[in-house]
Amino acid sequence: EPEVTQTPSHQVTQMGQEVILRCVPISNHLYFYWYRQILGQKVEFLVSFYNNEISEKSEIFDDQFSVERPDGSNFTLKIRSTKLEDSAMYFCASSAALQTGQPQHFGDGTRLSIL
Amino acid sequence: GESVGLHLPTLSVQEGDNSIINCAYSNSASDYFIWYKQESGKGPQFIIDIRSNMDKRQGQRVTVLLNKTVKHLSLQIAATQPGDSAVYFCAENNRRGGSYIPTFGRGTSLIVHP
Repeated sequence: EPEVTQTPSHQVTQMGQEVILRCVPISNHLYFYWYRQILGQKVEFLVSFYNNEISEKSEIFDDQFSVERPDGSNFTLKIRSTKLEDSAMYFCASSAALQTGQPQHFGDGTRLSIL
Repeated sequence: GESVGLHLPTLSVQEGDNSIINCAYSNSASDYFIWYKQESGKGPQFIIDIRSNMDKRQGQRVTVLLNKTVKHLSLQIAATQPGDSAVYFCAENNRRGGSYIPTFGRGTSLIVHP
């Protein structure tokens, strides 16, 4: 069964540094998402992406964050000038269609640790 | 407060028993609901979904019930197995802009004792 893959599985970064989290969505999916989950808390929506542009973003997704689909397979989340509170699991997800509501398929996440 | 919440943070059952995990939602306009399972160290895994024009949907060993009158969702797992041990999230989905955006509950931890 096709799956969403994320790299790296664990990223350790000094505060203030930039990180790029990478995702390869399921190949025929059109909608892409990033979520984060702080330890012990709910999964929180960050951003959705369709047709090479952001379609929706949450209040968490401020100017520190950006997303990009640099080629036909990768979908990246960049966090500039990381802060301690950015430490969390970051999940990428993709879905096939919008109009009828399709389930999002999640990767296994990148654990981001900011020191 | 949370628009989606779970009544029980932890549910312990014996192997072979049936499990019921409950979820409340607050947005009566929500029209699409999903149950996810999250095992330790992994991402949420889709289990079953239901649209608001239905009140019941069955999958393999799982059934989702939707009561729109009281804005309540439940996940029933038949003949629970140790491999079912995980955190279960419900997510209510709302159309925002160009996307269906899920709002997740905190989750219920299901513990299955052999």
